[in-house]
Amino acid sequence: DVKVTQSSRYLVKRTGEKVFLECVQDMDHENMFWYRQDPGLGLRLIYFSYDVKMKEKGDIPEGYSVSREKKERFSLILESASTNQTSMYLCASSFPGANTGELFFGEGSRLTVL
Amino acid sequence: AQSVAQPEDQVNVAEGNPLTVKCTYSVSGNPYLFWYVQYPNRGLQFLLKYITGDNLVKGSYGFEAEFNKSQTSFHLKKPSALVSDSALYFCAVRDSRWNTDKLIFGTGTRLQVFP
Repeated sequence: DVKVTQSSRYLVKRTGEKVFLECVQDMDHENMFWYRQDPGLGLRLIYFSYDVKMKEKGDIPEGYSVSREKKERFSLILESASTNQTSMYLCASSFPGANTGELFFGEGSRLTVL
Repeated sequence: AQSVAQPEDQVNVAEGNPLTVKCTYSVSGNPYLFWYVQYPNRGLQFLLKYITGDNLVKGSYGFEAEFNKSQTSFHLKKPSALVSDSALYFCAVRDSRWNTDKLIFGTGTRLQVFP
């Protein structure tokens, strides 16, 4: 089975801290995604990557950056956390070249910024 | 702009009754449509998709969805609901601006199945 692992299920950080959210997938997927989930807003795409060192902005990239140095790992970085970044963050990946829309999600990382 | 709308925040149904979770879409070109489910404190799981072909698509856990081009809808259905179906359901459309699996999600509908 495909496994997408997010390193932290729950994090509490203070305003201004730098935050790293890590995501690892074990099925050689080329595509990886970071979404944030907020009640009433659904899932909104922050960044995605279709290959190592490649990244594209999603719909809400402000305040975030990403890193993809290895194919299996996609990191989301909050350079200076703010309270409005309190949210559930979901990482996902998909099969290379299939473009089927079948994303495999991690369990999520719930971030609270105080 | 491409989008999906889920008009109901919550749907309540008694166990054993049929259920419908509604989704309408707005896309340019042919739609690629999806349903995902999220159980409490979990990530999303793929349920089913419509790319082309039969308008009635069957998916996991006994769910199916009906693609209706004239009504631009893709409603999720199940003939007989189970308590264990209680979860958050998301409709999604593939963003055709990108040749990749970038999806645009709806706001979600919470399904509550009562015993």
